[in-house]
Amino acid sequence: DVKVTQSSRYLVKRTGEKVFLECVQDMDHENMFWYRQDPGLGLRLIYFSYDVKMKEKGDIPEGYSVSREKKERFSLILESASTNQTSMYLCASIQAGGPPNTGELFFGEGSRLTVL
Amino acid sequence: AQSVAQPEDQVNVAEGNPLTVKCTYSVSGNPYLFWYVQYPNRGLQFLLKYITGDNLVKGSYGFEAEFNKSQTSFHLKKPSALVSDSALYFCAVRDSQPSNSNSGYALNFGKGTSLLVTP
Repeated sequence: DVKVTQSSRYLVKRTGEKVFLECVQDMDHENMFWYRQDPGLGLRLIYFSYDVKMKEKGDIPEGYSVSREKKERFSLILESASTNQTSMYLCASIQAGGPPNTGELFFGEGSRLTVL
Repeated sequence: AQSVAQPEDQVNVAEGNPLTVKCTYSVSGNPYLFWYVQYPNRGLQFLLKYITGDNLVKGSYGFEAEFNKSQTSFHLKKPSALVSDSALYFCAVRDSQPSNSNSGYALNFGKGTSLLVTP
């Protein structure tokens, strides 16, 4: 069974702290994504990665960075957390390659971050 | 640019009645369309997708959706709602021929519709 694991389900941090959100997938997928979910705003794409060490900005990258040192792991980093980064963070992955990929994204369970 | 609109923040329906959750989309090319469901404090679960072919697609838990190209819609439906269907539903789209091949797999999501099924 396919699996995307976000190790931290709930985190509480203080303003200015550095925060790491980890995501691991066991499906050998090339593409991985970080979304942020807020009530009334749906899911917004923060960053994505299409290969090891490769990354591209999504729609709302400000205040975030990412790391992809291994294919199965994609980390989201908040260098200096702020209260407006309190949110639910969702990691997803998909296989790439072949003709236009018609597959769906596979999501983790989410990491709910509260910044005080 | 591609986008999704879910015009209803909340849909209320009585158990046993049919339900519809609305979705309209905008893409420059042909759309790939998806529905996901989210239960409280959980991730998103895939329900169904439209890629090509039959306009009526069937998915998990008895849900189906109808693709209407002329109305650019992809409404989610179920003939008989269950209390356990109460959840947050997201419609999503991506272009079948994205201009950026690297970002082409990312989905654009609607704001979500909260479905409440009452006994």
